[in-house]
Amino acid sequence: AQTVTQSQPEMSVQEAETVTLSCTYDTSESDYYLFWYKQPPSRQMILVIRQEAYKQQNATENRFSVNFQKAAKSFSLKISDSQLGDAAMYFCAYRTGGGADGLTFGKGTHLIIQP
Amino acid sequence: EPEVTQTPSHQVTQMGQEVILRCVPISNHLYFYWYRQILGQKVEFLVSFYNNEISEKSEIFDDQFSVERPDGSNFTLKIRSTKLEDSAMYFCASSHLWTSGSYEQYFGPGTRLTVT
Repeated sequence: AQTVTQSQPEMSVQEAETVTLSCTYDTSESDYYLFWYKQPPSRQMILVIRQEAYKQQNATENRFSVNFQKAAKSFSLKISDSQLGDAAMYFCAYRTGGGADGLTFGKGTHLIIQP
Repeated sequence: EPEVTQTPSHQVTQMGQEVILRCVPISNHLYFYWYRQILGQKVEFLVSFYNNEISEKSEIFDDQFSVERPDGSNFTLKIRSTKLEDSAMYFCASSHLWTSGSYEQYFGPGTRLTVT
């Protein structure tokens, strides 16, 4: 079974600084996708960024970027120029390539932004 | 921008009662999902639905749960006889196939279910 591990229950960063959230996963599949979701206090799940396993290039979305290390099964999220609105729970998620497959989530990292 | 909607936002029910949680997926999406998040825990997959039938389901999705697409827009989750441990946030999601091959799932705002 696939598992997703987020080893940092909580992280804190100063506003405008950079922070990296860690995620590792375990799978025997070759075709899969990785995602980071943000969950603010409203508890809405918001897609932040995705990475296709077949792509070597790391995904980037504005201030958010990932470091995808396929051999190490590592998928970290870097947030640059942290803003107060980035404060939230961040969940790493995995799924295989089929449309019917559900996401497997990690336990999440609570990100605190210090003003 | 299209979004997934869910009703009600909060449902309180007594143990043993039946509840129906409703979702309206994004209109051109083909796959629909239900997830559960017990307070303070991770989000867990319950079931996926495609072409008017269940595609995949987890161990959590036992006989007390059922899903239905009663018309062209709604997607529902029914819990037949609620238990205290069913208290959780229930998220609906939908997806379609992107050119990358990825099925990105977009989540609704959730329904908080409280069983007393």
